[in-house]
Amino acid sequence: KAGVTQTPRYLIKTRGQQVTLSCSPISGHRSVSWYQQTPGQGLQFLFEYFSETQRNKGNFPGRFSGRQFSNSRSEMNVSTLELGDSALYLCASSLGLAGADEQFFGPGTRLTVL
Amino acid sequence: GQNIDQPTEMTATEGAIVQINCTYQTSGFNGLFWYQQHAGEAPTFLSYNVLDGLEEKGRFSSFLSRSKGYSYLLLKELQMKDSASYLCAVRDRNSGAGSYQLTFGKGTKLSVIP
Repeated sequence: KAGVTQTPRYLIKTRGQQVTLSCSPISGHRSVSWYQQTPGQGLQFLFEYFSETQRNKGNFPGRFSGRQFSNSRSEMNVSTLELGDSALYLCASSLGLAGADEQFFGPGTRLTVL
Repeated sequence: GQNIDQPTEMTATEGAIVQINCTYQTSGFNGLFWYQQHAGEAPTFLSYNVLDGLEEKGRFSSFLSRSKGYSYLLLKELQMKDSASYLCAVRDRNSGAGSYQLTFGKGTKLSVIP
């Protein structure tokens, strides 16, 4: 069974631009969660989608948004990029809701904002 | 909200035993996870505790005391490949969303030396 995949793996953008990251969960998994990981703050929860609905949201500004499609694939979008948005963005999928089931992480997208 | 503390770094010798502690303060506690993350890779699931006591899985064991808000991960017969970051994550109920949320600590970077 294929694992969680994320595209692209690396991305370089400049301040003010926007970016869209993609995540394909493990087949059959209905929950996709997004996290931001930085050396200073560790792994911070962005949001979770389950059956195309946002079920949970972390403490991030409205510039961070996401969506989930009927095939459970998910995208997250960051608008008006800031230098502080440079981070590793991880998505994780689980069979049920993230808090109820073990999460499987993708390799991440390394975003650099210049 | 949640507050999860774990040491930033630890060093141990190959073949030895190391204990990585995690303390947390949260309401609606519903389980604690440990994840391992090698540099440049995605986190992978190690263990899950929801009841007090010790869970053993090969060279790795995890302990939980809910009354003390405390958990530890015990690694025995350390190998060089155990050099990684170890993330403690607490699951609790997000009363606003009516679902569970997973919150990660900042991780403990373990270095195993010969």
